[in-house]
Amino acid sequence: DAGVIQSPRHEVTEMGQEVTLRCKPISGHDYLFWYRQTMMRGLELLIYFNNNVPIDDSGMPEDRFSAKMPNASFSTLKIQPSEPRDSAVYFCASSSTYGYTFGSGTRLTVV
Amino acid sequence: DQQVKQNSPSLSVQEGRISILNCDYTNSMFDYFLWYKKYPAEGPTFLISISSIKDKNEDGRFTVFLNKSAKHLSLHIVPSQPGDSAVYFCAASSNSGGSNYKLTFGKGTLLTVNP
Repeated sequence: DAGVIQSPRHEVTEMGQEVTLRCKPISGHDYLFWYRQTMMRGLELLIYFNNNVPIDDSGMPEDRFSAKMPNASFSTLKIQPSEPRDSAVYFCASSSTYGYTFGSGTRLTVV
Repeated sequence: DQQVKQNSPSLSVQEGRISILNCDYTNSMFDYFLWYKKYPAEGPTFLISISSIKDKNEDGRFTVFLNKSAKHLSLHIVPSQPGDSAVYFCAASSNSGGSNYKLTFGKGTLLTVNP
């Protein structure tokens, strides 16, 4: 089991550009979560899916953020246009009965 | 509005001594609590959990205590080891057996165990 796989590990982009973060959950996990970590706010839940369906997106900061889960093995988080305040580490996690497993995260820097 | 609060950003202890990490919560609907450990450049990993029907759960060197009336939980590590140096996140859920559902995290406490 390779765990939750996120790509890219690091992303540096210019303000105004579109950024797409990717996540492959653990096979068989029916929940998928996107979190953002910053010094100021810690780990914030952005959105989560159950069986590929978005359940709660109340944590998505604004319309510039969108997330999709087209199938059970893939999810994306897109920021368009990106802004410097979006700089953070973005984590994907998947879950089954036995709890969350996090990916290693994507460190996003918007300059 | 932080529903899960870890008021100590950092903690430093000597190897072999006890580490006590604290966490407070405000949402009385939370009924399941977890601690995660995070090393640099890695995702958080599950450490230990406790249901609100218990006041203590122990796993080796790690013990979590829950005081529901005070809305407070703590993680004790005895004895502390240098490999325990990491950021520790407290998390809470309002679903029974809530590890399936969304977790609300605190900001984390950086523990440094000095040799």
